[in-house]
Amino acid sequence: EAGVTQFPSHSVIEKGQTVTLRCDPISGHDNLYWYRRVMGKEIKFLLHFVKESKQDESGMPNNRFLAERTGGTYSTLKVQPAELEDSGVYFCASSRGTSGVNEQFFGPGTRLTVL
Amino acid sequence: AQSVTQLDSQVPVFEEAPVELRCNYSSSVSVYLFWYVQYPNQGLQLLLKYLSGSTLVKGINGFEAEFNKSQTSFHLRKPSVHISDTAEYFCAEKAGGTSYGKLTFGQGTILTVHP
Repeated sequence: EAGVTQFPSHSVIEKGQTVTLRCDPISGHDNLYWYRRVMGKEIKFLLHFVKESKQDESGMPNNRFLAERTGGTYSTLKVQPAELEDSGVYFCASSRGTSGVNEQFFGPGTRLTVL
Repeated sequence: AQSVTQLDSQVPVFEEAPVELRCNYSSSVSVYLFWYVQYPNQGLQLLLKYLSGSTLVKGINGFEAEFNKSQTSFHLRKPSVHISDTAEYFCAEKAGGTSYGKLTFGQGTILTVHP
């Protein structure tokens, strides 16, 4: 069984540019989460999809961030325009079923650097 | 608001020595607790979890943790560490009830095992 994959692994962009991160969850996992770790800080929740619907987007920092999950499969997280404070590692996780305590499987993360 | 505090940012230890990584949580209601490990260039991997029942939880790779409600702690222990245990460890909680799915993480503890 393939794990959670994320693309790209690294991205370096300039302030004001647009970047799109992609996450492919484990096949059959209805739940998909995005988290972010800014350097030196804790990993913070961004949002949660159940299939194609946004269940909880309380962690999204502002309207420069747009997350989608087409057809309930892969998800994209777009940052437009990027700011310096958006730099960090973006993690995606997925889990099966409807129980909130099912294990979340994490991808390796995308390291975003905004110059 | 939920918060998780990992009391040590870095823990150096010699091989075959015991180790304890400390974690305190804040939730006053029912809570689920987790320890994740991140090896270099990999995603987070679940070590163990406490959902209910026995307060001593055993996980993979010889790790265990003890849930202590009166002290709101969930410390991770291993009686004898190996070089391969060098990694960053994250404590996380998920409140029972309405906080569906999302995890609240501590700041992480970097465990370095020296030969």
